Amino acid sequence: DAKTTQPTSMDCAEGRAANLPCNHSTISGNEYVYWYRQIHSQGPQYIIHGLKNNETNEMASLIITEDRKSSTLILPHATLRDTAVYYCIVGGSGGYQKVTFGTGTKLQVIP
Amino acid sequence: NAGVTQTPKFQVLKTGQSMTLQCAQDMNHEYMSWYRQDPGMGLRLIHYSVGAGITDQGEVPNGYNVSRSTTEDFPLRLLSAAPSQTSVYFCASSHLAGGRTDTQYFGPGTRLTVL
Repeated sequence: DAKTTQPTSMDCAEGRAANLPCNHSTISGNEYVYWYRQIHSQGPQYIIHGLKNNETNEMASLIITEDRKSSTLILPHATLRDTAVYYCIVGGSGGYQKVTFGTGTKLQVIP
Repeated sequence: NAGVTQTPKFQVLKTGQSMTLQCAQDMNHEYMSWYRQDPGMGLRLIHYSVGAGITDQGEVPNGYNVSRSTTEDFPLRLLSAAPSQTSVYFCASSHLAGGRTDTQYFGPGTRLTVL
């Protein structure tokens, strides 16, 4: 399964959009892109996922490039409660058995 | 629904002791998995299961055993605890949709210290 690369940390002003990038240049055609976040030491929480098309839900938007080699998670109006570690992972027909979460991006929302 | 539950929340062991971390889900999910998270690190997959009676190894399986006798339960057994197994352990579950794991739901974690 494909590996992902994310920046170690990012800051975002409260109320502004947070754009978190992820590179997955070795992604294969049947692999989905998933985003999770982990607040403090809680269990990771699902945010959104997509295959080819851009996706939006009540939490975030996911923009996937046409070649699918990278994606961006957008939190449209970041709040202090969005401070967390955000993980971008890829998975497909093989399930999650070969996928690691990596170290993710630590997003700090600043008042 | 309770979702994914884990017990205990905290545990301290002495080197060489054995114990079982419990994980249960009430969402009728086929897929269940165990991860460990060391301080400042991401999650690493220990073992996973795609259904009752079926288990397989993940990235870091050594020192751990699992079994899946029912859909709901997926216990993780530490055979002979070592200080290197000090970590936070997360259990997760998801549906299998067309052979692909869907969104994973995580439990609250078990914080294990091995002295």
